[in-house]
Amino acid sequence: GAVVSQHPSRVICKSGTSVKIECRSLDFQATTMFWYRQFPKQSLMLMATSNEGSKATYEQGVEKDKFLINHASLTLSTLTVTSAHPEDSSFYICSARGDWLQETQYFGPGTRLLVL
Amino acid sequence: AQKITQTQPGMFVQEKEAVTLDCTYDTSDPSYGLFWYKQPSSGEMIFLIYQGSYDQQNATEGRYSLNFQKARKSANLVISASQLGDSAMYFCAMSLTGTYKYIFGTGTRLKVLA
Repeated sequence: GAVVSQHPSRVICKSGTSVKIECRSLDFQATTMFWYRQFPKQSLMLMATSNEGSKATYEQGVEKDKFLINHASLTLSTLTVTSAHPEDSSFYICSARGDWLQETQYFGPGTRLLVL
Repeated sequence: AQKITQTQPGMFVQEKEAVTLDCTYDTSDPSYGLFWYKQPSSGEMIFLIYQGSYDQQNATEGRYSLNFQKARKSANLVISASQLGDSAMYFCAMSLTGTYKYIFGTGTRLKVLA
């Protein structure tokens, strides 16, 4: 149990376009989903926390208009990188937790974004 | 402020031997969770083991055990009988009370030698 999928796994786009990344909990209801960003050889940096049906809470320094997060259902959260630029190129990874999982977060496989 | 520290950027271990990856933490909250995740080169984060701050016994999951020393604020991961597939980045994390957010350490890259 506790499987999280993420789509797409890899995306290349032109500067100025928007990219949507989906995060799905496949076998449990995710009360909370988290979005992280990871630069090469670095640790994970939390971008935002989203709860189903409510607005995401963004970490300090993360532009909410740049990184739009929607948690429309208990199994789906989406991250949209709007007007992407080369500096947005990174590894984006989501995680999810459900009430029965208590504190443990289960992670998706990640999405590698390259903006040309 | 809450903090997780992993002081070993890289470790080597011979196949079939045991290895300890260090993790220390700092928090003033009495209730917290400690986690270890493995990140292979593919990038996915694989949950390994969890220790609650009130747990009396050290957590174990197969070949993984967590050496929890509360007074020292350490939560070291012990991998027994290392396998080549254990080569990966390992992250220690702590959950923040009331938010379920994690803070991560900087990670330790483990290389298992044949």
